[in-house]
Amino acid sequence: GENVEQHPSTLSVQEGDSAVIKCTYSDSASNYFPWYKQELGKRPQLIIDIRSNVGEKKDQRIAVTLNKTAKHFSLHITETQPEDSAVYFCAASEGGGADGLTFGKGTHLIIQP
Amino acid sequence: NAGVTQTPKFRILKIGQSMTLQCTQDMNHNYMYWYRQDPGMGLKLIYYSVGAGITDKGEVPNGYNVSRSTTEDFPLRLELAAPSQTSVYFCASTVTRGGAAEQYFGPGTRLTVT
Repeated sequence: GENVEQHPSTLSVQEGDSAVIKCTYSDSASNYFPWYKQELGKRPQLIIDIRSNVGEKKDQRIAVTLNKTAKHFSLHITETQPEDSAVYFCAASEGGGADGLTFGKGTHLIIQP
Repeated sequence: NAGVTQTPKFRILKIGQSMTLQCTQDMNHNYMYWYRQDPGMGLKLIYYSVGAGITDKGEVPNGYNVSRSTTEDFPLRLELAAPSQTSVYFCASTVTRGGAAEQYFGPGTRLTVT
C-alpha cells in the first residue's frame, strides 16, 4: 500500500518568513495530493490540493509543488502570520481521493512573533 | 447544510464494551469514510463506502464494523473495545471537483477505553 513520509515534524519560523513542508510517497499510481490544516482539538480542513497532471498550484499565500518523477510534493506558505500556527498534514491517494487518503504524520508549524 | 455531523463528541468505554459512533451527512455525497487519529499522528483509514450498501476495508479495519443502509448515514461499530482503540475518530464525506474527490471531515469523536 501507499506510504507517505512528511518532514519536518516541527517547524518554527519568524512571522513574515516563508515555511516549506515536504512529503514523499511510495506508490507511483497515486494521483491526488491534498494538504490539511488542523488546529488543536479541531477537525482537519483542506487548504489546497494538487492532481498528478499539474506541477504547481497556488492560492494566495499558499502553494503546492509536485515532482512525480521523484515522488515528492511540498507545501509553501509565504508571509507567515500567527494564524498559520497549526499542524499540517499531507496525504496521497491512488483513486483521486475516492478510495480514501494515506496521511503523513504531520508537521507542527510554529510562527514566532 | 449541516455538513458532516458526528455523535457523540466524547465517550469513555470500559474494556469489552461495545458502542456505535454515528456519522451523518446532508450533502448527498456518495463517498463516506472513517478515520482514526492517535495522539501526535496522522489519520488512518478504517473503512470507506462508495454508496449505500457498499463498504470496503481501509488500512486498519480490525476491531471495527460498518454499514451503509442510506446515503446519509455511515455508523462505525466497535465490538469488544480495547485500550488500543483509544483515539479520535473522524468521519468524512467527499465531493468530486475536477475529477478529484475532496474530503470534508466531521468534528470528531474522542473515545477513551479504560
